[in-house]
Order: sequence, then structure tokens, then C-alpha cells
Amino acid sequence: KAGVTQTPRYLIKTRGQQVTLSCSPISGHRSVSWYQQTPGQGFQFLFEYFSETQRNKGNFPGRFSGRQFSNSRSEMNVSTLELGDSALYLCASSLTSNQPQHFGDGTRLSIL
Amino acid sequence: AQSVSQHNHHVILSEAASLELGCNYSYGGTVNLFWYVQYPGQHLQLLLKYFSGDPLVKGIKGFEAEFIKSKFSFNLRKPSVQWSDTAEYFCAVNKGSDSGYALNFGKGTSLLVTP
Repeated sequence: KAGVTQTPRYLIKTRGQQVTLSCSPISGHRSVSWYQQTPGQGFQFLFEYFSETQRNKGNFPGRFSGRQFSNSRSEMNVSTLELGDSALYLCASSLTSNQPQHFGDGTRLSIL
Repeated sequence: AQSVSQHNHHVILSEAASLELGCNYSYGGTVNLFWYVQYPGQHLQLLLKYFSGDPLVKGIKGFEAEFIKSKFSFNLRKPSVQWSDTAEYFCAVNKGSDSGYALNFGKGTSLLVTP
């Protein structure tokens, strides 16, 4: 069974640009969550989607947004990139919201 | 603020030594508890979970953890570590349906097992 797939694996952008990251959950999983991981802050929750609806949102500015499609695939978008957005962005999927989350390899975003 | 604390940031053990990694959380009420492991160059993997029932839970690769509600703790243990257990270990907690299922992670413990 294929795991959680995140694309791209690495991304380099400059300040002010925008970026879209993609996540394909494990087949059959309907819940997708996104996390930001940095050396200083550790893991921070961004948002969770279930059946195309955002169910929960972390404490991030409106520049961070996401969506989920009918096939459960999810994207997150960050607009007007800042240097502080450099991080590893992790996607996790689970069968339903109250099930263990399975993580992808992440997308490492570097802002120059 | 609700938090998850892992007391040991770096642990170095010799092979066959016993392991115990501490995890404490500050949530009240019902919680779900997890330990994840990240081997070098790999993604986070679920080691074990506690939702309810027997507070002593067994996971993969010989790991176990004990939930002690009165101490708000969920410590990870392994009787005899191997070199292949070298990895970073993360404790995580969520509150369940009333607060969503977002995981709140500890800062992690880096374990190095020497031959």
C-alpha cells in the first residue's frame, strides 16, 4: 500500500512569491492534516481537512491556505513568502479524524 | 498553554542497554497519546498509540509505553536497544473531537545507540 506522497520534495523560492504544495493521502484515507516543522519551533499544526471541509486550523496567518479535493488529495498554498516560511512542510493522512496519522516525507521549502 | 514535554533532548546508549524516554503533557481530560520515530533519512513512523483501555501499550520493534494518568505521563521504554534504534523520537498528544485531532508534538529526543 503506497504511503503518503508529497510533491515536490524540495522547493526554492524568493521572498514575495507564492507556492503550492501537494499531498496524496494513503488510499482510503479521508483526513489530511498539514504541519510545519522548523528547528526552533518544532512541529506546528497548520490545518486539517476531512471530506473537502476544513475542520481545524492552527495559528498561522491568512497567507497560509489549503484545500482538499473529492479524491482526498490536498494542497496547501502560501502566498507572499517570507524568509521565516522556510521549513519542512509535512502532510499526514488518517482513515478518519480520530485515527493515527501517517506522515509523508515532507516538502522542504527554502526561501531566499 | 497546553504542551508536551520531552525531558531528554539527546540520549546516548550502548547496545543492549535499556531505554526510557520521558513524555509529559499538560492537557486535562481525555487525551490520545502517540510515539513517533524518525529514522535517518526517513519519514515519521508511528511506533505506538494509546486511545483507551490497558495503559501499557505495545508497539512495533519491541517498544512499549505506559500511560500514567495521575502523572500526565506517557513514557517510552525498550528493554534492550539495538544500533538500528538510532533515530529521533517524538511524543505527541491530541485531545479528540472537542478540540479537533491536531497533534501537539514534543521537541523530540535524539537517540544514538553505539555498538
